[in-house]
Amino acid sequence: LAKTTQPISMDSYEGQEVNITCSHNNIATNDYITWYQQFPSQGPRFIIQGYKTKVTNEVASLFIPADRKSSTLSLPRVSLSDTAVYYCLVGDFGNDMRFGAGTRLTVKP
Amino acid sequence: GAGVSQTPSNKVTEKGKYVELRCDPISGHTALYWYRQSLGQGPEFLIYFQGTGAADDSGLPNDRFFAVRPEGSVSTLKIQRTERGDSAMYLCASSLNLADTQYFGPGTRLTVL
Repeated sequence: LAKTTQPISMDSYEGQEVNITCSHNNIATNDYITWYQQFPSQGPRFIIQGYKTKVTNEVASLFIPADRKSSTLSLPRVSLSDTAVYYCLVGDFGNDMRFGAGTRLTVKP
Repeated sequence: GAGVSQTPSNKVTEKGKYVELRCDPISGHTALYWYRQSLGQGPEFLIYFQGTGAADDSGLPNDRFFAVRPEGSVSTLKIQRTERGDSAMYLCASSLNLADTQYFGPGTRLTVL
Protein backbone atom coordinates (compact mmCIF):
# COMPACT_ATOMS: atom_id res chain seq x y z
CA LEU A 1 0.00 0.00 0.00
CA ALA A 2 1.25 3.44 -0.89
CA LYS A 3 2.19 5.46 2.16
CA THR A 4 1.48 9.18 2.24
CA THR A 5 3.32 11.99 4.00
CA GLN A 6 1.70 15.33 4.75
CA PRO A 7 2.61 18.27 6.97
CA ILE A 8 1.15 17.89 10.42
CA SER A 9 -0.25 21.39 10.54
CA MET A 10 -0.55 24.62 8.55
CA ASP A 11 -1.75 28.11 9.37
CA SER A 12 -3.32 30.57 6.97
CA TYR A 13 -5.41 33.73 6.94
CA GLU A 14 -8.82 34.38 5.51
CA GLY A 15 -8.80 35.12 1.80
CA GLN A 16 -5.47 33.42 1.12
CA GLU A 17 -4.88 30.45 -1.14
CA VAL A 18 -3.73 27.36 0.72
CA ASN A 19 -1.69 24.59 -0.84
CA ILE A 20 -1.23 21.30 1.01
CA THR A 21 1.27 18.89 -0.52
CA CYS A 22 1.21 15.14 -0.02
CA SER A 23 4.09 12.83 -0.87
CA HIS A 24 3.38 9.30 -2.09
CA ASN A 25 6.60 7.95 -3.56
CA ASN A 26 5.47 4.35 -4.03
CA ILE A 27 2.13 5.07 -5.68
CA ALA A 28 1.00 2.19 -7.91
CA THR A 29 -0.22 2.40 -11.48
CA ASN A 30 -3.85 1.73 -10.52
CA ASP A 31 -3.90 4.10 -7.56
CA TYR A 32 -6.00 7.24 -7.43
CA ILE A 33 -5.33 10.20 -5.15
CA THR A 34 -8.21 11.32 -2.97
CA TRP A 35 -8.52 14.13 -0.45
CA TYR A 36 -10.96 14.29 2.43
CA GLN A 37 -11.83 17.07 4.88
CA GLN A 38 -12.85 16.40 8.46
CA PHE A 39 -14.33 18.73 11.05
CA PRO A 40 -14.31 17.82 14.74
CA SER A 41 -16.87 15.18 15.70
CA GLN A 42 -17.90 14.62 12.09
CA GLY A 43 -17.11 11.98 9.50
CA PRO A 44 -14.64 12.80 6.73
CA ARG A 45 -16.09 14.58 3.70
CA PHE A 46 -14.88 13.90 0.14
CA ILE A 47 -13.22 16.92 -1.46
CA ILE A 48 -11.58 15.86 -4.70
CA GLN A 49 -10.00 12.95 -6.50
CA GLY A 50 -7.60 12.65 -9.39
CA TYR A 51 -5.26 10.35 -11.26
CA LYS A 52 -2.94 12.73 -13.10
CA THR A 53 -2.46 16.35 -14.19
CA LYS A 54 -5.05 18.73 -12.77
CA VAL A 55 -8.57 18.33 -11.46
CA THR A 56 -10.79 21.20 -10.40
CA ASN A 57 -14.21 21.29 -8.81
CA GLU A 58 -16.28 23.91 -7.03
CA VAL A 59 -14.28 23.75 -3.81
CA ALA A 60 -10.68 22.85 -4.69
CA SER A 61 -8.07 21.99 -7.26
CA LEU A 62 -5.75 19.01 -7.25
CA PHE A 63 -2.39 19.19 -8.99
CA ILE A 64 -0.57 15.95 -9.79
CA PRO A 65 2.84 16.03 -11.52
CA ALA A 66 3.73 13.59 -14.26
CA ASP A 67 5.59 11.18 -11.95
CA ARG A 68 2.58 11.12 -9.57
CA LYS A 69 4.87 10.86 -6.55
CA SER A 70 3.20 13.84 -4.93
CA SER A 71 0.03 15.85 -5.16
CA THR A 72 -1.07 19.29 -4.03
CA LEU A 73 -4.51 20.23 -2.80
CA SER A 74 -5.23 23.89 -3.47
CA LEU A 75 -7.97 25.72 -1.60
CA PRO A 76 -8.68 29.17 -3.09
CA ARG A 77 -9.50 32.08 -0.78
CA VAL A 78 -9.97 30.14 2.44
CA SER A 79 -12.39 31.22 5.12
CA LEU A 80 -12.59 30.47 8.84
CA SER A 81 -14.93 27.57 8.06
CA ASP A 82 -12.15 25.81 6.15
CA THR A 83 -10.38 25.12 9.45
CA ALA A 84 -10.29 21.34 9.52
CA VAL A 85 -8.08 18.29 9.11
CA TYR A 86 -7.28 17.37 5.51
CA TYR A 87 -6.36 13.80 4.58
CA CYS A 88 -4.56 12.61 1.48
CA LEU A 89 -5.22 9.00 0.50
CA VAL A 90 -3.72 6.91 -2.24
CA GLY A 91 -5.15 3.62 -3.38
CA ASP A 92 -7.58 1.85 -5.60
CA PHE A 93 -10.35 1.95 -3.01
CA GLY A 94 -11.84 -0.85 -0.99
CA ASN A 95 -9.49 -1.76 1.78
CA ASP A 96 -6.81 0.48 0.37
CA MET A 97 -8.37 3.51 2.02
CA ARG A 98 -5.65 4.05 4.58
CA PHE A 99 -5.79 7.40 6.34
CA GLY A 100 -2.68 8.99 7.80
CA ALA A 101 -2.70 11.62 10.54
CA GLY A 102 -3.71 14.34 8.08
CA THR A 103 -2.87 18.05 7.98
CA ARG A 104 -4.53 20.28 10.52
CA LEU A 105 -5.30 23.57 8.75
CA THR A 106 -6.06 26.59 10.92
CA VAL A 107 -7.46 29.65 9.18
CA LYS A 108 -7.09 32.85 11.16
CA PRO A 109 -9.06 36.08 10.75
CA GLY B 1 -30.93 12.56 -0.70
CA ALA B 2 -30.26 11.00 2.67
CA GLY B 3 -26.68 10.36 3.58
CA VAL B 4 -25.12 7.65 5.68
CA SER B 5 -26.66 7.51 9.13
CA GLN B 6 -25.28 5.92 12.26
CA THR B 7 -26.95 5.11 15.54
CA PRO B 8 -26.53 5.78 18.33
CA SER B 9 -24.54 8.99 18.03
CA ASN B 10 -23.07 8.37 21.46
CA LYS B 11 -22.75 5.18 23.47
CA VAL B 12 -21.41 4.91 26.99
CA THR B 13 -20.89 1.43 28.38
CA GLU B 14 -19.01 -0.34 31.10
CA LYS B 15 -15.96 -2.52 30.67
CA GLY B 16 -16.93 -6.05 29.81
CA LYS B 17 -20.30 -5.20 28.26
CA TYR B 18 -21.49 -5.99 24.72
CA VAL B 19 -22.35 -3.19 22.28
CA GLU B 20 -23.85 -2.94 18.83
CA LEU B 21 -23.34 0.00 16.51
CA ARG B 22 -25.62 0.45 13.52
CA CYS B 23 -24.95 1.91 10.08
CA ASP B 24 -27.54 2.76 7.42
CA PRO B 25 -25.77 3.33 4.11
CA ILE B 26 -26.93 5.50 1.26
CA SER B 27 -29.71 3.70 -0.59
CA GLY B 28 -28.36 1.66 -3.48
CA HIS B 29 -24.75 1.65 -2.28
CA THR B 30 -23.34 -1.85 -2.52
CA ALA B 31 -20.11 -1.31 -0.58
CA LEU B 32 -19.99 -0.50 3.14
CA TYR B 33 -16.97 0.23 5.31
CA TRP B 34 -16.26 0.50 9.01
CA TYR B 35 -13.45 2.60 10.49
CA ARG B 36 -12.32 3.46 13.98
CA GLN B 37 -10.85 6.83 14.86
CA SER B 38 -9.01 7.70 18.05
CA LEU B 39 -8.52 11.28 19.15
CA GLY B 40 -5.94 13.11 17.06
CA GLN B 41 -5.52 10.29 14.58
CA GLY B 42 -6.89 9.49 11.17
CA PRO B 43 -9.58 6.85 10.67
CA GLU B 44 -8.33 3.28 10.86
CA PHE B 45 -9.84 0.74 8.49
CA LEU B 46 -11.66 -2.17 10.16
CA ILE B 47 -13.74 -4.06 7.61
CA TYR B 48 -15.61 -3.63 4.38
CA PHE B 49 -18.54 -5.38 2.74
CA GLN B 50 -19.42 -5.81 -0.89
CA GLY B 51 -23.08 -6.77 -0.74
CA THR B 52 -23.72 -9.13 2.14
CA GLY B 53 -20.25 -10.61 2.44
CA ALA B 54 -17.27 -9.25 4.32
CA ALA B 55 -14.78 -8.76 1.51
CA ASP B 56 -11.94 -7.82 3.86
CA ASP B 57 -11.94 -7.94 7.65
CA SER B 58 -8.19 -7.65 8.07
CA GLY B 59 -8.52 -4.44 10.05
CA LEU B 60 -10.57 -5.90 12.89
CA PRO B 61 -8.23 -5.73 15.91
CA ASN B 62 -9.24 -9.06 17.49
CA ASP B 63 -12.04 -11.61 17.71
CA ARG B 64 -14.07 -9.42 20.06
CA PHE B 65 -15.02 -7.37 17.01
CA PHE B 66 -17.51 -8.65 14.46
CA ALA B 67 -19.67 -7.04 11.79
CA VAL B 68 -22.62 -8.22 9.75
CA ARG B 69 -24.63 -6.99 6.81
CA PRO B 70 -27.26 -9.71 6.39
CA GLU B 71 -29.39 -8.12 3.66
CA GLY B 72 -26.74 -6.09 1.91
CA SER B 73 -27.91 -2.78 3.31
CA VAL B 74 -27.81 -2.02 7.05
CA SER B 75 -24.71 -3.15 8.90
CA THR B 76 -24.05 -3.74 12.57
CA LEU B 77 -20.64 -3.63 14.21
CA LYS B 78 -20.61 -5.78 17.32
CA ILE B 79 -18.05 -5.55 20.11
CA GLN B 80 -17.95 -8.17 22.84
CA ARG B 81 -16.38 -7.79 26.29
CA THR B 82 -15.60 -4.14 25.69
CA GLU B 83 -12.34 -2.72 26.99
CA ARG B 84 -11.43 0.87 27.81
CA GLY B 85 -9.11 0.84 24.80
CA ASP B 86 -12.12 0.36 22.53
CA SER B 87 -13.21 3.92 23.29
CA ALA B 88 -13.15 5.81 19.99
CA MET B 89 -15.28 7.25 17.21
CA TYR B 90 -16.61 4.49 14.98
CA LEU B 91 -17.22 5.66 11.44
CA CYS B 92 -19.20 4.01 8.69
CA ALA B 93 -18.96 4.83 4.99
CA SER B 94 -20.67 3.57 1.87
CA SER B 95 -19.98 3.76 -1.85
CA LEU B 96 -22.03 2.98 -4.91
CA ASN B 97 -19.60 0.29 -5.91
CA LEU B 98 -16.28 -0.82 -4.54
CA ALA B 99 -14.24 1.51 -6.72
CA ASP B 100 -16.34 4.61 -6.06
CA THR B 101 -16.01 7.50 -3.65
CA GLN B 102 -16.78 6.69 -0.03
CA TYR B 103 -19.32 8.83 1.81
CA PHE B 104 -19.04 8.87 5.57
CA GLY B 105 -21.64 9.00 8.29
CA PRO B 106 -21.41 11.21 11.39
CA GLY B 107 -19.99 8.41 13.50
CA THR B 108 -20.80 6.81 16.84
CA ARG B 109 -18.69 7.91 19.78
CA LEU B 110 -18.14 4.92 22.03
CA THR B 111 -16.93 5.44 25.58
CA VAL B 112 -16.03 2.43 27.70
CA LEU B 113 -15.81 3.25 31.39
